[in-house]
Amino acid sequence: EAEVAQSPRYKITEKSQAVAFWCDPISGHATLYWYRQILGQGPELLVQFQDESVVDDSQLPKDRFSAERLKGVDSTLKIQPAELGDSAMYLCASSLFRDSFSGNTIYFGEGSWLTVV
Amino acid sequence: GNSVTQMEGPVTLSEEAFLTINCTYTATGYPSLFWYVQYPGEGLQLLLKATKADDKGSNKGFEATYRKETTSFHLEKGSVQVSDSAVYFCALSARGGGADGLTFGKGTHLIIQP
Repeated sequence: EAEVAQSPRYKITEKSQAVAFWCDPISGHATLYWYRQILGQGPELLVQFQDESVVDDSQLPKDRFSAERLKGVDSTLKIQPAELGDSAMYLCASSLFRDSFSGNTIYFGEGSWLTVV
Repeated sequence: GNSVTQMEGPVTLSEEAFLTINCTYTATGYPSLFWYVQYPGEGLQLLLKATKADDKGSNKGFEATYRKETTSFHLEKGSVQVSDSAVYFCALSARGGGADGLTFGKGTHLIIQP
C-alpha cells in the first residue's frame, strides 16, 4: 500500500539552529498538508498545498517557519531559528483531490519528532 | 470557527467491554467527519468517516453515526481488545473551496486491560 514518506523520523537540535523536514506524498496526490502535533494534543494544520501553490498558511508562524513544494510533488518544511516551544511531532499528509470532496480522504505519514534543547 | 470536542481520557476498560468515545463539533456548513487512531510513536491512521447526516462509518468493529441534530459523531465498539489501546482523534473537514484541512479534537487515550 502506498504511503506518505517523511524524514528524518527523529531530530534533536539546539535552540536557534535551523532544521528541515522532508515529505514525499502518495504518488499522484495533488494536495499536501503539514501539521504540528504537540505531545498530548491533536494535530494542528500549519500549511496546505494544492500542487505547488499554498492554499492555507494562516497558522504557519511565518517569522521562523517556511514551507515549499516547488514541483508539486515532495515538500520541505523549515524552521529557522528553532525555539524550545517548537518541540513536537511534524506530520505530513496528502490527499488525492484538489477540491473539497466527500471522498477526499487525507493520509498521514509516520511523522518527524523534533526536540529542541 | 470550526472546533471539535471529545471526551478526555484516559479511558480504561477491560477486554470485551463496550466502548463509547463522545465527540461533538461546531462547524459552518456541512462538514465531513472522521475518526483517526494513533498508536504509540506513529502517525495517524484513518479509522472511519462519514460525509453527510445520518451516514454511518464503520471499520474493524468500530462504528460512528453522523448526527446533525446533535452535532455529534460518537465512536462505539461492542467488544474491545487489548490491541485497540491507542489514542483516538475525532476530526472534521469543513468544505470551503480548496482549503479543507482537518480540525482535530485533543484526542482520547484508550487503555484496554486484559
